[in-house]
Amino acid sequence: AQTVTQSQPEMSVQEAETVTLSCTYDTSESDYYLFWYKQPPSRQMILVIRQEAYKQQNATENRFSVNFQKAAKSFSLKISDSQLGDAAMYFCAYRIHTGNQFYFGTGTSLTVIP
Amino acid sequence: DTGVSQDPRHKITKRGQNVTFRCDPISEHNRLYWYRQTLGQGPEFLTYFQNEAQLEKSRLLSDRFSAERPKGSFSTLEIQRTEQGDSAMYLCASSNSWLAGNTYEQYFGPGTRLTVT
Repeated sequence: AQTVTQSQPEMSVQEAETVTLSCTYDTSESDYYLFWYKQPPSRQMILVIRQEAYKQQNATENRFSVNFQKAAKSFSLKISDSQLGDAAMYFCAYRIHTGNQFYFGTGTSLTVIP
Repeated sequence: DTGVSQDPRHKITKRGQNVTFRCDPISEHNRLYWYRQTLGQGPEFLTYFQNEAQLEKSRLLSDRFSAERPKGSFSTLEIQRTEQGDSAMYLCASSNSWLAGNTYEQYFGPGTRLTVT
């Protein structure tokens, strides 16, 4: 069974500082995709960053980057130069290459302190 | 491209009533998904359509739930004889399987928040 675990229910960061959100997953598949989604309060989820499991290079999108450790089944999100607009619930998600449904973690609520 | 839209955004109903939600995906997207999200949890998969065909259903989708996508465009999710345990946010997402190299990332709508009293 595919499971996604986010062990940090809440995190906080000072504005302009860096924060890392953790995610681990359990799978027997070798080809899959990993995603981080952001869900601001009362707003829809938007994709932050994605990683293909076959790629060794960690994905980056501006201030967002991931640390993908395939052997450890770990997929953490690093947010650099945190901004007030980064405050949201962050969900880690997994999908196998041949599958259709996403498996989501329980989320990490990020607070950005001015 | 106006994004995924859902209607209504909020619905309050009494236990035992039927409710229907609508989702309009991004126009060129052929795949459509329904998820349920309860407080403090991540979205849980309910069902998935490719065009008008419902190809996958979760065990969470009891026989009181039915989803349709009659013309391969918008979709409806109906819950019959609602129960208090049905109170949740119902999310719709769409994706496009036709793009080469696409990771089938899903684009989410704003959700319909259902409260069953």
